[in-house]
Amino acid sequence: GAVVSQHPSRVICKSGTSVKIECRSLDFQATTMFWYRQFPKQSLMLMATSNEGSKATYEQGVEKDKFLINHASLTLSTLTVTSAHPEDSSFYICSAPPSGLLPNTEAFFGQGTRLTVV
Amino acid sequence: AQSVTQLDSQVPVFEEAPVELRCNYSSSVSVYLFWYVQYPNQGLQLLLKYLSGSTLVKGINGFEAEFNKSQTSFHLRKPSVHISDTAEYFCAVSEVPSSNTGKLIFGQGTTLQVKP
Repeated sequence: GAVVSQHPSRVICKSGTSVKIECRSLDFQATTMFWYRQFPKQSLMLMATSNEGSKATYEQGVEKDKFLINHASLTLSTLTVTSAHPEDSSFYICSAPPSGLLPNTEAFFGQGTRLTVV
Repeated sequence: AQSVTQLDSQVPVFEEAPVELRCNYSSSVSVYLFWYVQYPNQGLQLLLKYLSGSTLVKGINGFEAEFNKSQTSFHLRKPSVHISDTAEYFCAVSEVPSSNTGKLIFGQGTTLQVKP
């Protein structure tokens, strides 16, 4: 299957600082990527849809000014958690459906990023 | 809008025993159905998916699932589990597109604990 690389896998940052997480599709192009958040012992909740060359679409309740998403190319989307606070500590996972594939029939996930804000 | 319910949060089972992880969904439109497995601190790996055709779907690692439209269910089964199957399992749906959104709606997850 296709490979999605997410970096870093773990990050610890101080409260008030910003953290950038990268999601790359290594062997396919993805005009759309998705960012999910998973709190301990809970399911994955979609945060936002990242669209190449246009603004991201955020789910209800997700602060767009806090979670900045940039999809500058067909293989890279970044999520920046700005002014991070301990309550932002979570597991963040990106996914990408390959462009051209029948819509919604497949999505490949990155390895996830464990963010801890201290 | 779609929703997914995984009826069991934890399923303990002995090695080599059969297992069924239950998943029910609700949707006003047709959906595709997926099962993913997540090992600790890792991303998600696709086990199997139902898009159309035969309602019995076979996936990796010996897992299979059956789509039951009348009961809106997509239960995951394995006839004989291994210790290595211990993980978190997620059922998910996506809308058969009239719009190309690609969003997945996940269930709450089921922790499969395989005991020796």
